[in-house]
Amino acid sequence: KQEVTQIPAALSVPEGENLVLNCSFTDSAIYNLQWFRQDPGKGLTSLLLIQSSQREQTSGRLNASLDKSSGRSTLYIAASQPGDSATYLCAVMNTGGFKTIFGAGTRLFVKA
Amino acid sequence: SAVISQKPSRDICQRGTSLTIQCQVDSQVTMMFWYRQQPGQSLTLIATANQGSEATYESGFVIDKFPISRPNLTFSTLTVSNMSPEDSSIYLCSVEAGGPDTQYFGPGTRLTVL
Repeated sequence: KQEVTQIPAALSVPEGENLVLNCSFTDSAIYNLQWFRQDPGKGLTSLLLIQSSQREQTSGRLNASLDKSSGRSTLYIAASQPGDSATYLCAVMNTGGFKTIFGAGTRLFVKA
Repeated sequence: SAVISQKPSRDICQRGTSLTIQCQVDSQVTMMFWYRQQPGQSLTLIATANQGSEATYESGFVIDKFPISRPNLTFSTLTVSNMSPEDSSIYLCSVEAGGPDTQYFGPGTRLTVL
């Protein structure tokens, strides 16, 4: 059974810092891995999607890496801004049934 | 892409009552999903609802407690029946638009059961 764990559960940083959010999963038979952002009252927004054959994806200040063999992914946020404050969710889609399993999220607060 | 709206956005309900949550999509989609996010926890898939067929429920969720309707390709409802405080959660509707890689989420319905 796939389990997704995110560390840390919460993080508070001053504006301008670079930071790394961690995600680990127990079953390496994944179809893809996604990082989502969750804002209160606004649902989830997909940030980056990494196919199982890829090692990383980049979008602006965000970079996500995937090491399928070790069951790990990281989301790197460069030069953090107060607007980055949100909950970041890691989700993996298994190859069997294409079900998406979510981690509990990391709540990020960037102080101005 | 797909834009999803949910009604209500939030509600406070009494124990033993039922609440129906609506999910509306701005385009026709085959697969719709309902998730629950309990306080401080990750999203858990309740069921998959395809138009024209019965919803498929995940382990731990049953149709009597969470009946789902899917009358057409743009709309679905989830009912939370005979509610208890343990049902207090955010309920999210999600759709696939363009394949399994592209999953979109609604804003969620925040339910509090007293």
